[in-house]
Amino acid sequence: AQTVTQSQPEMSVQEAETVTLSCTYDTSESDYYLFWYKQPPSRQMILVIRQEAYKQQNATENRFSVNFQKAAKSFSLKISDSQLGDAAMYFCAYRSPIKYSTSGTYKYIFGTGTRLKVLA
Amino acid sequence: ETGVTQTPRHLVMGMTNKKSLKCEQHLGHNAMYWYKQSAKKPLELMFVYNFKEQTENNSVPSRFSPECPNSSHLFLHLHTLQPEDSALYLCASSQGLTTNEKLFFGSGTQLSVL
Repeated sequence: AQTVTQSQPEMSVQEAETVTLSCTYDTSESDYYLFWYKQPPSRQMILVIRQEAYKQQNATENRFSVNFQKAAKSFSLKISDSQLGDAAMYFCAYRSPIKYSTSGTYKYIFGTGTRLKVLA
Repeated sequence: ETGVTQTPRHLVMGMTNKKSLKCEQHLGHNAMYWYKQSAKKPLELMFVYNFKEQTENNSVPSRFSPECPNSSHLFLHLHTLQPEDSALYLCASSQGLTTNEKLFFGSGTQLSVL
């Protein structure tokens, strides 16, 4: 079964500095998607960035980028020029390429989250 | 209004009460999900509906009863809950059809069972 591990329950970063959040996963599948979701105090989870496993190039979205190491099954999130608004819980998620046979929907597996604090 | 809307935002109930959580999505998606979020645990998938049909039930106790009257609305009916059911309940939706789909979440209902 697929698993997602976030080993850092909490991280802190100084405003304007760079921070990296770690995520590892375990799977025997070869073609999958990986996601980072942000959950601010408002509680609504928002997609930060997405990576297709078949793409070797690391995804980037403005100040957010990932370091995707497929062989190592690692998917870390780097936040550059951290801002106060980046303070949130960050969840790493894995999406299987295989759909539930009964529903036709994809299976998503989430990690336990990393709480990021941004210090002014 | 766009996105995924959940009500109520907070709910406190006794173990003998019956209550319902509501979720509405305005994204034209076909699939809707209930997740349970507890501290220091991964998000736990509870139910999946696709085109109004319940397709997954992740061994959820019968005191949780989902209902999906149409592709835009999803309910979670609660009765005789236990204190360990206290958690944040998140609703999500997705297209359910394409490989580049993603989950869209609501703000959740923070449930406290006394």
